[in-house]
Amino acid sequence: EVQLVESGGGLVQPGGSLRLSCAASGFSFSTYSMNWVRQAPGKGLEWVSYISSNSSTIYYAESVKGRFTISRDNARNSLYLQINSLRAEDTAVYYCARPGYGSGSYGYWGQGTLVTVSS
Amino acid sequence: EIVMTQSPATLSVSPGERATLSCRASQSVRSNLAWYQQKPGQAPRLLIYAASTRATGIPDRFSGSGSGTEFTLTISSLQSEDLAVYYCQQYNNWPHSFGQGTNLEIK
Repeated sequence: EVQLVESGGGLVQPGGSLRLSCAASGFSFSTYSMNWVRQAPGKGLEWVSYISSNSSTIYYAESVKGRFTISRDNARNSLYLQINSLRAEDTAVYYCARPGYGSGSYGYWGQGTLVTVSS
Repeated sequence: EIVMTQSPATLSVSPGERATLSCRASQSVRSNLAWYQQKPGQAPRLLIYAASTRATGIPDRFSGSGSGTEFTLTISSLQSEDLAVYYCQQYNNWPHSFGQGTNLEIK
């Protein structure tokens, strides 16, 4: 069974940093690209970042470029998101998501981790 | 960036009735379109990919259609458990973009 478990969220002051993690199990992690998607309270879904299976290709949403860094450790079956220079508008639940069904759609999602940026 | 526009924002449908949700892309995404269901307090769940293919375990009352810029999600006979927000997403171009969602209410 595919499982994605996020962790690392919490309350942080504006300008602060956090490192989010996503632990993957139940599939061959090293063969799949991965994504981060976020959802502000009461709002819709926003794609944040993508990393290919071997980390050779990385994309970011314009809203986070230069502040967020996606990475992965295939030996540890883990995905990461380093988020720096946090702003109030970064407050959201952050989900990791894996493509499924041989398409680019996101067939598998974690339960999410909440990041709250507030003084 | 491709902008995805969903309509209506809120839809109220009686149990057993048909619900029709629309999604429009600002440029062609071919058939690289997915629909997700998100119930309160839960992560999104993939319903439809490639515009019209149901994901594993999705009831056949859910169907998707369209290609290019116009897409539709149809729930043929609404059940109470279908109360949720539904999002479309294009994955033809980066950034992968979501619509703003349709909130489906049970009348």
